[in-house]
Amino acid sequence: DTGVSQNPRHKITKRGQNVTFRCDPISEHNRLYWYRQTLGQGPEFLTYFQNEAQLEKSRLLSDRFSAERPKGSFSTLEIQRTEQGDSAMYLCASSLPLGGHEQYFGPGTRLTVT
Amino acid sequence: TQLLEQSPQFLSIQEGENLTVYCNSSSVFSSLQWYRQEPGEGPVLLVTVVTGGEVKKLKRLTFQFGDARKDSSLHITAAQTGDTGLYLCAGALIQGAQKLVFGQGTRLTINP
Repeated sequence: DTGVSQNPRHKITKRGQNVTFRCDPISEHNRLYWYRQTLGQGPEFLTYFQNEAQLEKSRLLSDRFSAERPKGSFSTLEIQRTEQGDSAMYLCASSLPLGGHEQYFGPGTRLTVT
Repeated sequence: TQLLEQSPQFLSIQEGENLTVYCNSSSVFSSLQWYRQEPGEGPVLLVTVVTGGEVKKLKRLTFQFGDARKDSSLHITAAQTGDTGLYLCAGALIQGAQKLVFGQGTRLTINP
């Protein structure tokens, strides 16, 4: 399967703990996106990478959130000092350089903060 | 306030019926995508429309982009139980914009 993969699929953590999620994009896609989706809502944009450069960050991405894409391939999203309000589905998507509007999503990581 | 408003938010119909889902905005989009999402999974891209007035067909699904590129519709003919899911519209506000703005989704249930 050459689609976008995300790990873990589910994460349950206690409030105050740090969590890290990983996304592996489609191999020839150099653009990578993170979105967050809460229950009953559509996904909301968090941040975007072109190769290893983080080019845009949403105001939703507070200081507790950090994303990296060190070698321009996989990406990680870390949340420090998790809060109950961080509970959501975290989605990763990737796209080709000239097809930015056609984004292909991974299965997501469901985070539950207790 | 949602930039993209989808209606209806919930729709439950019998197998074999036709239905239309709407995606409306006061903003102009350079492109608009429709996705379908199953519970616990990521959205799956169905179609992208780019030109005002464009119509695309995918088997029993017909997608239309409004002439002014502010709205779109998804029409399903002879719905099947396998069409059940969350349908999301998403748009890019300006040419070359990387982030997609999503509607809140239409949860469609097709009853046998």
